[in-house]
Amino acid sequence: QKEVEQDPGPLSVPEGAIVSLNCTYSNSAFQYFMWYRQYSRKGPELLMYTYSSGNKEDGRFTAQVDKSSKYISLFIRDSQPSDSATYLCAMKQSLNTGFQKLVFGTGTRLLVSP
Amino acid sequence: EPEVTQTPSHQVTQMGQEVILRCVPISNHLYFYWYRQILGQKVEFLVSFYNNEISEKSEIFDDQFSVERPDGSNFTLKIRSTKLEDSAMYFCASGNSNQPQHFGDGTRLSIL
Repeated sequence: QKEVEQDPGPLSVPEGAIVSLNCTYSNSAFQYFMWYRQYSRKGPELLMYTYSSGNKEDGRFTAQVDKSSKYISLFIRDSQPSDSATYLCAMKQSLNTGFQKLVFGTGTRLLVSP
Repeated sequence: EPEVTQTPSHQVTQMGQEVILRCVPISNHLYFYWYRQILGQKVEFLVSFYNNEISEKSEIFDDQFSVERPDGSNFTLKIRSTKLEDSAMYFCASGNSNQPQHFGDGTRLSIL
């Protein structure tokens, strides 16, 4: 079983739609969860950072973490063509020096059409 | 907003040659990282560096790889004898223990 699983897509939606992106994971030691956006030929750009279970909202973006189900989600409201990119989930175990590495999903490619 | 910068953006090297990829992390960050992304695959962790030493490394990071912080601003990844399978995007990242990691735009390494 892969440590982090993410549907590669592509996910195609019309402008204005609500987008739901998801990841599942197998390692129950993961405590910190991130969503990054990656445009073509660019590095991952941090969107959301959450700790443990619960919801976090930032503008049009909402991140949800359900540790009991080992499932995380990113919702994008009122999607725009400029949101078209690959969305990467990433997670790590701890703040301790030896456990800082991020484990990434494969990324979901999102296409928002005007 | 401060950012991680990487040079060069594209490096073409003959197989067997040494290559050095350079990064300038965000100035108040204490943890530094290298990741790589082979075309069409996921971003993979290579190494983390804290307090002038490697704190964690993956099985990819073998004896051909080394990292260095030669001065107060630069962080480098050296590959001693490149192989065809080293062709990938290499991303540098920096952060602190209670903050998320911020990534540069990467160096595309092409091995011929």
